Amino acid sequence: DTGVSQNPRHKITKRGQNVTFRCDPISEHNRLYWYRQTLGQGPEFLTYFQNEAQLEKSRLLSDRFSAERPKGSFSTLEIQRTEQGDSAMYLCASSLVEDGYTFGSGTRLTVV
Amino acid sequence: QKEVEQDPGPLSVPEGAIVSLNCTYSNSAFQYFMWYRQYSRKGPELLMYTYSSGNKEDGRFTAQVDKSSKYISLFIRDSQPSDSATYLCAMGIYYTGANSKLTFGKGITLSVRP
Repeated sequence: DTGVSQNPRHKITKRGQNVTFRCDPISEHNRLYWYRQTLGQGPEFLTYFQNEAQLEKSRLLSDRFSAERPKGSFSTLEIQRTEQGDSAMYLCASSLVEDGYTFGSGTRLTVV
Repeated sequence: QKEVEQDPGPLSVPEGAIVSLNCTYSNSAFQYFMWYRQYSRKGPELLMYTYSSGNKEDGRFTAQVDKSSKYISLFIRDSQPSDSATYLCAMGIYYTGANSKLTFGKGITLSVRP
């Protein structure tokens, strides 16, 4: 296990459909983050887990978004009733301490 | 005003040039500073990490932080075509046992011409 794995790499969905993304962090990392990145912008924080506890959610995370990290291992991010504005790259990162952030390659969501 | 502002791009330089990338920030609570490199359709990759004012060198890369001016820079010496990527500055605040979310700049796209 040498990195953060995200699946799928690319998802195309119709507006109104639900989608779910998965992130497998580096195994010994207890912190897990979700970020969203739109074209020409830097990543923006969405939510943070320490082990299985979701400790913070950004105001960007509307009630259509939900994230889980059962048993403090992998994490899922679900978007319900997708909108065109949800089209973005969804990045997962994990760390053991503040300075050890490792990002995955992201899931690119396209809502048509 | 955004918390982190990054010089707009894109930037194109000839191979071998010295590149200077800059960010300013408004939140004096930021305590640690990072530079990430992001290739097209990939996640960001950590290049440099520092938490004090001054310079930190790693090979061809030097990160500079000036907390009094709220200004950070990344210098790339002897730039190579393989350095062509988007460079993102990021900043964070230490919270013991709590979230260490990062605030990113918009990124600048660098192209190094052979």
